Amino acid sequence: AQTVTQSQPEMSVQEAETVTLSCTYDTSESDYYLFWYKQPPSRQMILVIRQEAYKQQNATENRFSVNFQKAAKSFSLKISDSQLGDAAMYFCAWGATNKLIFGTGTLLAVQP
Amino acid sequence: DGGITQSPKYLFRKEGQNVTLSCEQNLNHDAMYWYRQDPGQGLRLIYYSQIVNDFQKGDIAEGYSVSREKKESFPLTVTSAQKNPTAFYLCASSMAGGKKDEQFFGPGTRLTVL
Repeated sequence: AQTVTQSQPEMSVQEAETVTLSCTYDTSESDYYLFWYKQPPSRQMILVIRQEAYKQQNATENRFSVNFQKAAKSFSLKISDSQLGDAAMYFCAWGATNKLIFGTGTLLAVQP
Repeated sequence: DGGITQSPKYLFRKEGQNVTLSCEQNLNHDAMYWYRQDPGQGLRLIYYSQIVNDFQKGDIAEGYSVSREKKESFPLTVTSAQKNPTAFYLCASSMAGGKKDEQFFGPGTRLTVL
């Protein structure tokens, strides 16, 4: 069965600094998708970034980028120039047919 | 504006009662999902539907039921058989049920059993 592991329950970063959130997963499939979702205090889930496993190039979206290591089954999220609005719970997810498999989340605090 | 609405935002239920959570989307998406969120456990799939009048159990379907009579609507009923129903419930939709499809989420319903 596919599993997604986020080993950092909480992280903290200073405003304007860079932080990396870790995610590992386990699957025997070769074609899949990985996602990072953000859940702010409002609890509205928002897609941050998506990575296609067959693409070697790491996905980027403005200040957000991923480090995708397929062989190591690792999918970390880097947030550059952190802002107060980045404070949220971040979930890593593996895209299966008909569902997402989520990790347990990392709570990110941004210090002014 | 297109999106997903869930109602109510907060719901209180007495033990032994069934309760229905509403989910509506106007994104013209075929697939819809219900997830349950508990502290420290991430989101877990309860039910999903790829098409009207068809739905499938997810990982934790026991004690829940759904219907999909309209493309826009996917209500979830929490029955008295659900042993620990207090949780945050999230509805989502996607264009289809494919691996690559982004799921769009509603604002959630917080259910508390008294």
